[in-house]
Amino acid sequence: EAGVTQFPSHSVIEKGQTVTLRCDPISGHDNLYWYRRVMGKEIKFLLHFVKESKQDESGMPNNRFLAERTGGTYSTLKVQPAELEDSGVYFCASSQSSYEQYFGPGTRLTVT
Amino acid sequence: GQQVMQIPQYQHVQEGEDFTTYCNSSTTLSNIQWYKQRPGGHPVFLIQLVKSGEVKKQKRLTFQFGEAKKNSSLHITATQTTDVGTYFCAEIVGNMLTFGGGTRLMVKP
Repeated sequence: EAGVTQFPSHSVIEKGQTVTLRCDPISGHDNLYWYRRVMGKEIKFLLHFVKESKQDESGMPNNRFLAERTGGTYSTLKVQPAELEDSGVYFCASSQSSYEQYFGPGTRLTVT
Repeated sequence: GQQVMQIPQYQHVQEGEDFTTYCNSSTTLSNIQWYKQRPGGHPVFLIQLVKSGEVKKQKRLTFQFGEAKKNSSLHITATQTTDVGTYFCAEIVGNMLTFGGGTRLMVKP
């Protein structure tokens, strides 16, 4: 069974540019989550989808971040415009139940 | 919001030595999960504890949940180089994980 995949693995962009991260969850998993780890800090929850609906987006830092999950399959997280403090590793996770979440390899975003 | 504090932040051990990481919360935790992230990798679920005073073992790993459900520990007996990585505790409420800061374990062969 394929795991959670994320694309790209690394992205280096300049401040003010736009970046879109993609996550493909494990097939059949209705729950999809985005998390982020900024350098030296803990992994923080961003938002949670159930199928195509946003269940909880309380962790989204501001309106420069937009997450979508059209069709309830893959999800995208767009940062526009990117700021220096957005640098970090963005993890996607998926689950069928709330018990165990399966994490993807992450996208390392560097904003210069 | 709920904060889970984890100590130590880093730990260097000689291969064969034991290792323990601790998680503490000022409020009662509904559960505690533990994850391991290998260098360059992603968090991988290890276990979930729910009951007060619960102890679970996975080979050389022992997980404990405090009687008051405000703290938890992960103990590794006789560390091996394959244990290298960052160990995170986390509480799951609804579907949201709240992570501790992680303990980075380095093992000298």
